[in-house]
Amino acid sequence: RKEVEQDPGPFNVPEGATVAFNCTYSNSASQSFFWYRQDCRKEPKLLMSVYSSGNEDGRFTAQLNRASQYISLLIRDSKLSDSATYLCVVTRPGAGSYQLTFGKGTKLSVIP
Amino acid sequence: DADVTQTPRNRITKTGKRIMLECSQTKGHDRMYWYRQDPGLGLRLIYYSFDVKDINKGEISDGYSVSRQAQAKFSLSLESAIPNQTALYFCATRGTWDTEAFFGQGTRLTVV
Repeated sequence: RKEVEQDPGPFNVPEGATVAFNCTYSNSASQSFFWYRQDCRKEPKLLMSVYSSGNEDGRFTAQLNRASQYISLLIRDSKLSDSATYLCVVTRPGAGSYQLTFGKGTKLSVIP
Repeated sequence: DADVTQTPRNRITKTGKRIMLECSQTKGHDRMYWYRQDPGLGLRLIYYSFDVKDINKGEISDGYSVSRQAQAKFSLSLESAIPNQTALYFCATRGTWDTEAFFGQGTRLTVV
C-alpha cells in the first residue's frame, strides 16, 4: 500500500458545483496534514492545514479522520480559477524531524 | 521577491555535462530540500539538509549531489547529466518542528 494515496482524477465539474477529494495514508504515526494546490508547471503552494477538529477557509473545508486514516477536501461553489492539481501531504516521524510525504495529486478542471 | 528562489528557471543541457541548480531562501529556515517531479510520479525527494553540517539522501539520490553552502543556500548538482534526469526540480524549505513546506518556483531541466 502506498504511503499516501489520492484519486488522480481528473475531476471535471461545472462552475458552481461542489467537489470533494479524499486522501488515505498508511502510517498511523502520521502527525500533520496539509492540502497543497499546484497549477500547471508551477510550484506547489499551501492551500490549508488540516486539523483534527476540521477547518474551513471560505469555500474550502478540510477534514481529518484519524481512525480511518483519511483526509478530505471539499470545495463549494467551484470557480474556474480552482482548476489545478491538489496535493495531499502528510508528515510522519523520521530521522531527526517529521518527514513530508506527498500524494501524487488530484487534478480538477472546472468547466464554464 | 520570492522567499525561495531557484536559478536557473529553465535549462537545456547535453548528456554527460555537469550542471548545478541553485536555491536560496530568505525565510531563515534551517531545513532545505530538493525534489524532482515527473508526470504521474509526483514529487520525489532527492536530498535534504537540516543545517549547514547536515546532508541526507532522499529516495532517489543516485546521480545527484548537494552542497549546503550557508543556511540560506542549498545547491543540487548533476555530475554527468543523463536524459532520464529531465524533470521539474523544486527546492523547498521548512521551519522548525512539524510545519508546512515552502517551495521555490522550480527549475525545468531538459537533458538532450
